[in-house]
Amino acid sequence: EVQLVESGGGLIQPGGSLRLSCAASGFTVSSNYMSWVRQAPGKGLEWVSVIYSGGSTYYADSVKGRFTISRDNSKNTLYLQMNSLRAEDTAVYYCARDHTIFGVVDYYYGMDVWGQGTTVTVSS
Amino acid sequence: AIQMTQSPSSLSASVGDRVTITCRASQGIRNDLGWYQQKPGKAPKLLIYAASSLQSGVPSRFSGSGSGTDFTLTISSLQPEDFATYYCLQDYNYPHTFGGGTKVEIK
Repeated sequence: EVQLVESGGGLIQPGGSLRLSCAASGFTVSSNYMSWVRQAPGKGLEWVSVIYSGGSTYYADSVKGRFTISRDNSKNTLYLQMNSLRAEDTAVYYCARDHTIFGVVDYYYGMDVWGQGTTVTVSS
Repeated sequence: AIQMTQSPSSLSASVGDRVTITCRASQGIRNDLGWYQQKPGKAPKLLIYAASSLQSGVPSRFSGSGSGTDFTLTISSLQPEDFATYYCLQDYNYPHTFGGGTKVEIK
């Protein structure tokens, strides 16, 4: 079964750090584009970051320089290292697979697999 | 960053109604747009990719259309399980950006 399971959320003080994990099963993280999306309480969805199969990374302006996306191929796990956390980073964080078929022309099929989410609360 | 303006922000409809949600991009994005459904406390679910392609397993009452800057999600006959919040997402460039969401409520 294709599945993503996030962990690592919790209560953290402003300025602190936290690392989220997203363990995949049923497919290989390193062969896919993988993203993080977050949702603040009562708000809409916000795209956060992506890592390409080749290792390139992109970030939302709101987290650039503070968050780092990475993966551990041996553990088939995606990570989001979050530093210098702010109150506005409080959210449910989801990981997702960006389903892409690679060929002469890459074809993007959307975020087709999502984790259940992990909650990050930044508060003193 | 490309801005995605979604309308309406909420709507009330009855079972069996035809529902249309629109999304407008601040610049042309070809057909690089997806639609997602989210129910309270749950992760989003992919409905439509590439503006008009139906994700496997999604009922055919859902359809998408549009290209360039204007896009539409249509539910041809609203079912009880369709009451949820719907989001568009542009994947034309980074940062990817979501629309503000449309909450579909029971009339």
